Amino acid sequence: DSGVTQTPKHLITATGQRVTLRCSPRSGDLSVYWYQQSLDQGLQFLIQYYNGEERAKGNILERFSAQQFPDLHSELNLSSLELGDSALYFCASSDQYTGELFFGEGSRLTVL
Amino acid sequence: SQQGEEDPQALSIQEGENATMNCSYKTSINNLQWYRQNSGRGLVHLILIRSNEREKHSGRLRVTLDTSKKSSSLLITASRAADTASYFCATRLHTGGFKTIFGAGTRLFVKA
Repeated sequence: DSGVTQTPKHLITATGQRVTLRCSPRSGDLSVYWYQQSLDQGLQFLIQYYNGEERAKGNILERFSAQQFPDLHSELNLSSLELGDSALYFCASSDQYTGELFFGEGSRLTVL
Repeated sequence: SQQGEEDPQALSIQEGENATMNCSYKTSINNLQWYRQNSGRGLVHLILIRSNEREKHSGRLRVTLDTSKKSSSLLITASRAADTASYFCATRLHTGGFKTIFGAGTRLFVKA
């Protein structure tokens, strides 16, 4: 158990809809990262937050947004969903000294 | 584009053999990490090597880092069927909020 919790584990929705994925980091970790993994692909970095502030941005679409709340949990909002958004979405929190990432089990999004 | 690229994309070996995976990256790094992913699961951290280190061992794992060539290798000795998984290198960059970028991964299959 990494200590990182992601909900929901599975989500099936239709094109054009909006979903929210939630992540609770490990106790004490201030950084949260979001990654997207399409079928049998590597991980695409989406965005990083540190203590409530956006720290780094990757290949995140304009239809996607994220935030980190004062209690350090984070949410990734995906809107106007397309078939190609179907993927595993991982959240990770990091050790502030080494940068070692601790991953949640992911949220599997299926867009029909 | 990916910061890290693993080679080979896939590797199939017999139990007991050694498995070597390589990773190349493009820009200056703070550290390089290797992760393992069982199918559809979250990634698990294996080992971290800092930019001023050249070699590191952890159990049956040996990692080397050559910053002049911007490359790293992961050696798994005496492989077991349970080592079957995807292996990813990840580079923690100096800039951009210390974001951690993953390569596309090497799929390792160990035959019993």
